[in-house]
Amino acid sequence: ETGVTQSPTHLIKTRGQQVTLRCSSQSGHNTVSWYQQALGQGPQFIFQYYREEENGRGNFPPRFSGLQFPNYSSELNVNALELDDSALYLCASSSRQGYNSPLHFGNGTRLTVT
Amino acid sequence: GESVGLHLPTLSVQEGDNSIINCAYSNSASDYFIWYKQESGKGPQFIIDIRSNMDKRQGQRVTVLLNKTVKHLSLQIAATQPGDSAVYFCAENRGSGGSNYKLTFGKGTLLTVNP
Repeated sequence: ETGVTQSPTHLIKTRGQQVTLRCSSQSGHNTVSWYQQALGQGPQFIFQYYREEENGRGNFPPRFSGLQFPNYSSELNVNALELDDSALYLCASSSRQGYNSPLHFGNGTRLTVT
Repeated sequence: GESVGLHLPTLSVQEGDNSIINCAYSNSASDYFIWYKQESGKGPQFIIDIRSNMDKRQGQRVTVLLNKTVKHLSLQIAATQPGDSAVYFCAENRGSGGSNYKLTFGKGTLLTVNP
């Protein structure tokens, strides 16, 4: 069974730039969620994708957007980067059929905005 | 406001002792709770979960207790080992009907196991 994989592992961007982060969900999982984890904090829900559509969103501005592909992999895009966007971005997958089943997380992408 | 929080930000124990990590939640509508372990440089790793229709669930060396009356969740680790050293998060699911599965995490407790 392949777990959740994310790329890249680390990334440095300049304020105002755009970034795309990628995620491959765990085998058999059709729902992907993205979380932002600031240093010393718990992860915060950004949004979730199911059947290639956004299915729930947290308190994040529209410059945070995403995609889910037919193979259930996903992208997180952030436009007009701000210094406060520096964080660990976590992707998690789950099986829709297993509602109230645990999310399985990848090891994240560490984004630094300078 | 709604939140999931932890009573103790840090916990230091001796190897072999039992550890108890506590968590308070405020949303009585939450129906699913999970404990995650996060080691440095890694994503959260699932430990154990519990549904709101239960008050106790046991895994390998771990037990989760849920007290809905006082909205309290705890994680007990038996015979704590150095490899258990990590940050532990409790999380609650505030989704409903499967349409919006959204976990709300607390800030975490750093568990340090001394050899």
